[in-house]
Amino acid sequence: AQSVTQLDSQVPVFEEAPVELRCNYSSSVSVYLFWYVQYPNQGLQLLLKYLSGSTLVKGINGFEAEFNKSQTSFHLRKPSVHISDTAEYFCAVSDLNTGGFKTIFGAGTRLFVKA
Amino acid sequence: DSGVTQTPKHLITATGQRVTLRCSPRSGDLSVYWYQQSLDQGLQFLIQYYNGEERAKGNILERFSAQQFPDLHSELNLSSLELGDSALYFCASSVATGALNTEAFFGQGTRLTVV
Repeated sequence: AQSVTQLDSQVPVFEEAPVELRCNYSSSVSVYLFWYVQYPNQGLQLLLKYLSGSTLVKGINGFEAEFNKSQTSFHLRKPSVHISDTAEYFCAVSDLNTGGFKTIFGAGTRLFVKA
Repeated sequence: DSGVTQTPKHLITATGQRVTLRCSPRSGDLSVYWYQQSLDQGLQFLIQYYNGEERAKGNILERFSAQQFPDLHSELNLSSLELGDSALYFCASSVATGALNTEAFFGQGTRLTVV
């Protein structure tokens, strides 16, 4: 069964510093990959997605992620974070071998941006 | 605003009771997903419906059931509630044309507290 591992449960970082949130998924022939953000007391919001094509995907709020098939990774990056980026970030995978009906989420990474 | 509406926002009930959570998907979305988010389990996929039919099942307990009605709204029924069922329950919807799903749009969740 497909699984998603977010390697860091918490990432503290200073404002304007770069950040990378790591995500690995179990091997599959074809997957769709997503990063979602959850602000306090809110639902999840899509940041970006990889469906096919270019392995570097740009999303909202200055975030980008790179799909690496050989390493089965989809790490999220931002060159300079803001206080407002403090939130929980979820990596998610849809396994097309199962018809894509299930989207499996990682455990989440809490990004805490300090002034 | 994601366009997905969940009611109620908060629910407090006693052990052994039964509750129904309601979800109205975005206009035009045929797929509805239910997720449970708890501190110890993270975001767990429960079940998915597509155009009224169950399409995928995750870690859903036998005490829980769901359905999607002809108008595409969905209900999640939780019975014989236990303290451990206290969690945030999210509904999400997507276009999910054909057999593939893409990004999902999440509601703000229903916070269930079992006392």
